[in-house]
Amino acid sequence: DADVTQTPRNRITKTGKRIMLECSQTKGHDRMYWYRQDPGLGLRLIYYSFDVKDINKGEISDGYSVSRQAQAKFSLSLESAIPNQTALYFCATSDENHGAAEAFFGQGTRLTVV
Amino acid sequence: DQQVKQNSPSLSVQEGRISILNCDYTNSMFDYFLWYKKYPAEGPTFLISISSIKDKNEDGRFTVFLNKSAKHLSLHIVPSQPGDSAVYFCAASAKYQGAQKLVFGQGTRLTINP
Repeated sequence: DADVTQTPRNRITKTGKRIMLECSQTKGHDRMYWYRQDPGLGLRLIYYSFDVKDINKGEISDGYSVSRQAQAKFSLSLESAIPNQTALYFCATSDENHGAAEAFFGQGTRLTVV
Repeated sequence: DQQVKQNSPSLSVQEGRISILNCDYTNSMFDYFLWYKKYPAEGPTFLISISSIKDKNEDGRFTVFLNKSAKHLSLHIVPSQPGDSAVYFCAASAKYQGAQKLVFGQGTRLTINP
C-alpha cells in the first residue's frame, strides 16, 4: 500500500460544480501539502498544514479550500470548479524533523474541468 | 516570479553516456536543494539533495553539484540507463514562517535512448 494515498485518481467535472480531492497518509508525518502541476510550470503550492489546527495558504490558493480532518487526512476542495483548474494535483507529506524538507508525494489526481 | 528555473524542458541522451540536468535559482536564502524524479502516472520521488554548505553530493550514479556564486546546481547521471527516463524536478528549500518550504522548477523530461 502507498504511504500517501489520493482519491480519486482521475475525475472529470463540470464548470461550477463542487469537488473534493482526498489525501490520507500512513507515514505519521505532521506536515501535509497540496500542489498542482501544470505543463511548463512545475509544481506549485496551493495550501499546507503543519498540524491539525494549522492551515496556511500557498502561492496559488485562490479558488481552493482545504480541511485537515486528522493528522493523517488532508482534503482539497474546489468550491466552484473552473476550466483553468484542470491540472494534475499532488498531495505530499513531510517530517518536521527532516532537515532536507524532503517531501513524500501521492500518485496524483488528474482533474479535468469541462 | 520563478525562483527556481529549469530552462531545458527536455533532454535526450544515449544509454551509457552522462546526463546533465541544470537548475538555476534566484533566492539567496535557499539553504537546501533537492532533485525529484517523476515517472508517468506516479508522484514525484526524492532522488538526492545537497546542503548549501556543500558543493557536491554523490549517491551511486547520481551526483549533484552546487555553485552558490552562480546560483546554479546540476544533476549528473553516469552512466545513464533506460530506467532513468523520467521528468526531473529541481527544488529549493528555505525557512519561511518557521518551517522549511519547497519551491520547484518546471521540470526537465529526460529520455535515455538505447
